[in-house]
Amino acid sequence: DTAVSQTPKYLVTQMGNDKSIKCEQNLGHDTMYWYKQDSKKFLKIMFSYNNKELIINETVPNRFSPKSPDKAHLNLHINSLELGDSAVYFCASSPRTRGNEQFFGPGTRLTVL
Amino acid sequence: AQSVTQPDIHITVSEGASLELRCNYSYGATPYLFWYVQSPGQGLQLLLKYFSGDTLVQGIKGFEAEFKRSQSSFNLRKPSVHWSDAAEYFCAVGAAGGSTLGRLYFGRGTQLTVWP
Repeated sequence: DTAVSQTPKYLVTQMGNDKSIKCEQNLGHDTMYWYKQDSKKFLKIMFSYNNKELIINETVPNRFSPKSPDKAHLNLHINSLELGDSAVYFCASSPRTRGNEQFFGPGTRLTVL
Repeated sequence: AQSVTQPDIHITVSEGASLELRCNYSYGATPYLFWYVQSPGQGLQLLLKYFSGDTLVQGIKGFEAEFKRSQSSFNLRKPSVHWSDAAEYFCAVGAAGGSTLGRLYFGRGTQLTVWP
């Protein structure tokens, strides 16, 4: 199936731990994104990579570090997890051309205890 | 600056009733507009999009939206709602150029509840 996939789907961890979320797309897109969706469903863009180059870096704590080993993968590593990091994290991809929609992954629900 | 406003946080309709979800945008150029739907526990799925041309666009699941430049609006409609339409709906405007080409600016979403 052509899609954007994320692992894991659920992640429960203790404060202070370090965790990673992985994202892969097989749509052949050039650009990938990470979003954070809070408990009120607000979607906030965090990062965007185009052909492994960081192009969007919103005001996000530097505990969050994206890594793109190739244009089909964009991983998110979070250090020293805090309670406020609890959210659903979505990966998305799109061709980087005018007006093209983004395709979203199923999300990773992170719960920090 | 680009922004999207969805004035209704929560809408409740009866099954079979018509639906209109409002979306207003602020964008300095010709906008690229999108409606996404998020079912519980799922990712976002594209319902429809507007780039240019006919201002009434048809989407999946029987949805349509009308672009009104004079009102900076892109409202989503469905003539008869089904219980399976209960979900969160997001309007978004896409950046058309520059360093943020491809970026989407989302509204805060409208939660739709459907009564049987």
